[in-house]
Amino acid sequence: DAKTTQPPSMDCAEGRAANLPCNHSTISGNEYVYWYRQIHSQGPQYIIHGLKNNETNEMASLIITEDRKSSTLILPHATLRDTAVYYCIVRPSPTSGTYKYIFGTGTRLKVLA
Amino acid sequence: GAVVSQHPSWVICKSGTSVKIECRSLDFQATTMFWYRQFPKQSLMLMATSNEGSKATYEQGVEKDKFLINHASLTLSTLTVTSAHPEDSSFYICSARDGRRNTGELFFGEGSRLTVL
Repeated sequence: DAKTTQPPSMDCAEGRAANLPCNHSTISGNEYVYWYRQIHSQGPQYIIHGLKNNETNEMASLIITEDRKSSTLILPHATLRDTAVYYCIVRPSPTSGTYKYIFGTGTRLKVLA
Repeated sequence: GAVVSQHPSWVICKSGTSVKIECRSLDFQATTMFWYRQFPKQSLMLMATSNEGSKATYEQGVEKDKFLINHASLTLSTLTVTSAHPEDSSFYICSARDGRRNTGELFFGEGSRLTVL
C-alpha cells in the first residue's frame, strides 16, 4: 500500500503558486519523499525529492515539515502546462538498492486560465 | 535526463492474440526495469520488477504466465501480454533506473496503450 495521502484534486489560477500537500505520517528515518507528475496519457516525470531539508530546483520547491510527517510541493508560478496528476511517493534511500515505487492516488491539479 | 522509450505507443489487437511491448533505455544501461499498468482515472499499479539476466519478480495478484517479462539485455525489457482479453486493455508504462546516478529517481517511458477488441 502507498504510504502517502494526498487530496484528490486542486485548482490553481495561472501565474499563482500551486501548493500541493502530502501526508506521510508513517515515514521512517531513512525514507525519502519523491514527487512525480503525470500529464495526461504520458509516463510520469520526476520533479524533486528530499529527505528532511527543503529543496528547490528549476521546476519546484519541496518543503518538508520538521517531523517529516508531511510535505508540500510548490510550483511557484503555475502555467497551463502544469495541469497534471502529481504523485508524492515515499521510498528508501537512493543508496539502499531498492527502487520499487508504489504510487498512491495523487492530486489532480488543474491550472485555470 | 536519461531517456526511456516504449514501443509501440498504442496497439489494438483481437481477443486471444498476444502483444509484445518493448521498453528501452536509450542512453544508459538499466539492470532493473519496472512495469506498471494504469486503468483510466486510476493510479499506476506496479506489476513486476524486471531484472537483467534473471527472472522477473511479480507483484501479488499479477499472473506471471499471462504477463511474460524478458530482460535479455541491459537496455531492453519486453512485456508480452499473452492471450489478451478486453479486460487487459490498459496503459502499460515501464521505468528504469540509471545506475550512473545516485539520486534514486526512476525514468519512465511514454507508455503503451493496449486496446483488446
